Amino acid sequence: QKEVEQDPGPLSVPEGAIVSLNCTYSNSAFQYFMWYRQYSRKGPELLMYTYSSGNKEDGRFTAQVDKSSKYISLFIRDSQPSDSATYLCAMKAGTASKLTFGTGTRLQVTL
Amino acid sequence: DTAVSQTPKYLVTQMGNDKSIKCEQNLGHDTMYWYKQDSKKFLKIMFSYNNKELIINETVPNRFSPKSPDKAHLNLHINSLELGDSAVYFCASSPTDYGYTFGSGTRLTVV
Repeated sequence: QKEVEQDPGPLSVPEGAIVSLNCTYSNSAFQYFMWYRQYSRKGPELLMYTYSSGNKEDGRFTAQVDKSSKYISLFIRDSQPSDSATYLCAMKAGTASKLTFGTGTRLQVTL
Repeated sequence: DTAVSQTPKYLVTQMGNDKSIKCEQNLGHDTMYWYKQDSKKFLKIMFSYNNKELIINETVPNRFSPKSPDKAHLNLHINSLELGDSAVYFCASSPTDYGYTFGSGTRLTVV
């Protein structure tokens, strides 16, 4: 069993929809949680960074962490075709620890 | 002004050859990494250096040897290339307590 599980998709939604992306994890030591967006043939770029449990909002993006359930989510409101990409969750135990990634969910937002 | 730059972007080479990939960051970060992304988009850490010192060395064949001449550079040398080494290799850097900034990747194809 992988340390971080993520549904690979693809997930196809119409423009304007609310998108929910999720990851589960098994290592209770993880405290720092991130979401990355990766466009085709590009490097991952950091979207959201959260510490411990709770919500964080940045524009159309909201990250949620539920440490009791070992479950994190990324919500995208008013999705746009430019949001079409692979979304990777990532997490680490301490500030100097390695970052462990999920396998990524491919999202397609259609017109 | 590129934050994390890798060269070359593409590398096609024959089995058995030796090749190097270079990485430079101008963000002033203390830590640099090499990640390997396979055909299923899974990102797996290979090495991490903090201020020129090796701090993470995952289970990677001895044919892979990282070198960090200074805090801003981390190179990866691969000896005796094999077909299974074909992947996208990403360099990344980070400050101690935040997410990573990735380069745009080096697509290695071994034929």
